[in-house]
Amino acid sequence: EAGVTQSPTHLIKTRGQQATLRCSPISGHTSVYWYQQALGLGLQFLLWYDEGEERNRGNFPPRFSGRQFPNYSSELNVNALELEDSALYLCASSFGSHINTGELFFGEGSRLTVL
Amino acid sequence: GQSLEQPSEVTAVEGAIVQINCTYQTSGFYGLSWYQQHDGGAPTFLSYNALDGLEETGRFSSFLSRSDSYGYLLLQELQMKDSASYFCAVMNRDDKIIFGKGTRLHILP
Repeated sequence: EAGVTQSPTHLIKTRGQQATLRCSPISGHTSVYWYQQALGLGLQFLLWYDEGEERNRGNFPPRFSGRQFPNYSSELNVNALELEDSALYLCASSFGSHINTGELFFGEGSRLTVL
Repeated sequence: GQSLEQPSEVTAVEGAIVQINCTYQTSGFYGLSWYQQHDGGAPTFLSYNALDGLEETGRFSSFLSRSDSYGYLLLQELQMKDSASYFCAVMNRDDKIIFGKGTRLHILP
């Protein structure tokens, strides 16, 4: 069974541009989570989608947005890129409520570099 | 607000036992998870505690005390491959899963 897949693996952009990152959850998983992992800052919660709806978002500006498609895959968009947006963006999925098992399945991440 | 505190680095010797502590402040606490992340890799789930007590999975055990807002991950019979970063993560009522900043575990031969 395929795990969580993310694309692209690496992305280089310049300040002010837009970046789009994609995530395919494990088959059967309906929830997708996005995290930003900047150097030394741990995993910062960005967004949670479930059944096509945005369920929660972290303390990030509105230029961070996304959506979940009917097949449960997801897209993260970052507009007006700033240098500090350079980070590893991790996608995770879960089957049903993460509350019951506390388990998220992570992809390998997309490394975004903003020049 | 919500916060998690864990040591930034821990060093131990191969074959020994190491404990990584995590204290948290949050409202509507549901449970505490632990994840392992090797350099350049994806975080992988290790354990989840929703109730007080010790959960054991092979060489790894995790403990939770809800009254003390405290948990720990215990790694026994350390192997070089256990060198990684370890994150505690809190699940709470507002449905966010908040991660600590991670503990980098260095293992000496």
